[in-house]
Amino acid sequence: SQKIEQNSEALNIQEGKTATLTCNYTNYSPAYLQWYRQDPGRGPVFLLLIRENEKEKRKERLKVTFDTTLKQSLFHITASQPADSATYLCALYWMDSSYKLIFGSGTRLLVRP
Amino acid sequence: SQTIHQWPATLVQPVGSPLSLECTVEGTSNPNLYWYRQAAGRGLQLLFYSVGIGQISSEVPQNLSASRPQDRQFILSSKKLLLSDSGFYLCAWKLWGDEQFFGPGTRLTVL
Repeated sequence: SQKIEQNSEALNIQEGKTATLTCNYTNYSPAYLQWYRQDPGRGPVFLLLIRENEKEKRKERLKVTFDTTLKQSLFHITASQPADSATYLCALYWMDSSYKLIFGSGTRLLVRP
Repeated sequence: SQTIHQWPATLVQPVGSPLSLECTVEGTSNPNLYWYRQAAGRGLQLLFYSVGIGQISSEVPQNLSASRPQDRQFILSSKKLLLSDSGFYLCAWKLWGDEQFFGPGTRLTVL
């Protein structure tokens, strides 16, 4: 079965620095990969999607890369702010998984002022 | 615009009691609907999903069940709660686009 791995340890960085979060998966590559943000006690909110045939996607201060050789996606937040502190989840969709997204366990990001 | 509602927001139930959580979506038709559970500090575990009225796919065998009596209504139930059923329950919907939209969640504590 497919497995998704995100660093379970919190990432603690200084305001203004770039945060980089990692999502690794096993077996074959998904059709696409998504990143969500989740604040405590709230539901996840969609941020970005990157497809299998794309290398990089950007949205404002966010950047996602997708390396199907390494079976890895990197999620970057440039010029990080304390308001970026949250848990970030990656979610993968495989064509044979019907209508299901499979979520990673998430990485907590703490941005110090 | 589309909105998704879940209730109740919090719930404390004794072991062995029944459960009914409700999710409704407004502003869209024939969405895919999903129930997830999130244990403290953990990721999202998909419990059930539905692509249409009366159609339910179960992902994990346990004492929970789901029903979709109407197009935009999704219900999660249990006849007898276990301690391990405690968690944060999230409902989500999706249309032809790729992203899922999540509800505010229900925090369930089983004592």
